[in-house]
Amino acid sequence: DAKTTQPTSMDCAEGRAANLPCNHSTISGNEYVYWYRQIHSQGPQYIIHGLKNNETNEMASLIITEDRKSSTLILPHATLRDTAVYYCIVRALIKAAGNKLTFGGGTRVLVKP
Amino acid sequence: EPEVTQTPSHQVTQMGQEVILRCVPISNHLYFYWYRQILGQKVEFLVSFYNNEISEKSEIFDDQFSVERPDGSNFTLKIRSTKLEDSAMYFCASKAPGSYNEQFFGPGTRLTVL
Repeated sequence: DAKTTQPTSMDCAEGRAANLPCNHSTISGNEYVYWYRQIHSQGPQYIIHGLKNNETNEMASLIITEDRKSSTLILPHATLRDTAVYYCIVRALIKAAGNKLTFGGGTRVLVKP
Repeated sequence: EPEVTQTPSHQVTQMGQEVILRCVPISNHLYFYWYRQILGQKVEFLVSFYNNEISEKSEIFDDQFSVERPDGSNFTLKIRSTKLEDSAMYFCASKAPGSYNEQFFGPGTRLTVL
């Protein structure tokens, strides 16, 4: 699986957009970008994933650069409840039972009032 | 909304004792996972399980660990003889067939080995 690089931490103002970058310069053509988050001591929570097109759901938007070497997760209107560690994970989708997730250190996001 | 549940929320045990951590995955899911997170460290994969057998396991998952789906609803992780270093949060996750790795995690069991 491709390695990812994320900033260790970032602050965001409540109500503003939070833009979380992730570098994955060694990504392969068949690898997807997944984002999960972990609110303090809770289980990780799936946010969004994409292959090459930008994606949006009710939680966030995912912007993937054309060369796919980096991506940005956008939380459009951050709330205090979005304070969490955000993980960018890159892996191929294998139609088998494995598909383990390999978590790095993530970005610790603090949303401030 | 369906969710993964885990019991107990906190388990305290003496070193050398056996523990069983229980999980009830989401009902139509067929892929099951255990992860752990030592305090202040990364979430680590332990094992994945499908069709009543282990499909992948990490180096952490040695022969002190075992998993079972005894009754079609519960998914358990057993640690035969706990060590101090087994103290961690243990998360169960499940995934629906055909989905793109959207693993749904439970709230975790905090295991404290004394």
